[in-house]
Amino acid sequence: QKEVEQDPGPLSVPEGAIVSLNCTYSNSAFQYFMWYRQYSRKGPELLMYTYSSGNKEDGRFTAQVDKSSKYISLFIRDSQPSDSATYLCASPGGSYIPTFGRGTSLIVHP
Amino acid sequence: DVKVTQSSRYLVKRTGEKVFLECVQDMDHENMFWYRQDPGLGLRLIYFSYDVKMKEKGDIPEGYSVSREKKERFSLILESASTNQTSMYLCASSTGQQETQYFGPGTRLLVL
Repeated sequence: QKEVEQDPGPLSVPEGAIVSLNCTYSNSAFQYFMWYRQYSRKGPELLMYTYSSGNKEDGRFTAQVDKSSKYISLFIRDSQPSDSATYLCASPGGSYIPTFGRGTSLIVHP
Repeated sequence: DVKVTQSSRYLVKRTGEKVFLECVQDMDHENMFWYRQDPGLGLRLIYFSYDVKMKEKGDIPEGYSVSREKKERFSLILESASTNQTSMYLCASSTGQQETQYFGPGTRLLVL
């Protein structure tokens, strides 16, 4: 079992929808979580990170961590076609090296 | 802003050629990483370095080597390219532990 799991999708939604992207993790040592966005044929770019349980908001994006259930979510409000990308969650788990999920592909159609 | 650059966006090489991929970061980060990314397999760590001249094997080091002679530069070397090394190669850097990684734009390598 991978330490960070994501449904690969694709998740297809209409423009303007609220999107929920999810990860589960198995390692209780994970304290710090990151979301990356990767457009096709480009490198991943850091979208958000959070140290703790609860919510962190940045514009249309909200990251949520539930440590009791080992569940990480990224919500996108008012989704746009430009949000179409693969979203990767990750956690360093106390080492130099993050553990990445395999990513969820999101398609926002006009 | 952190900037990580990679020497090429696209490369086409022949089987058996020696291939050099270069990565440069401008934020004085201690840690640098090389990944490959293949459909359905996600990011797989090839090698990483936590200091100049230091290197550690990742999950899939076979067929690859690395060099870090300067803090800002981390090179990936394919000693004798093979078709199964056709992939997207991504360089990343970070500082300290539990710090976010910053990625370069990637190099798409095709080995014929």
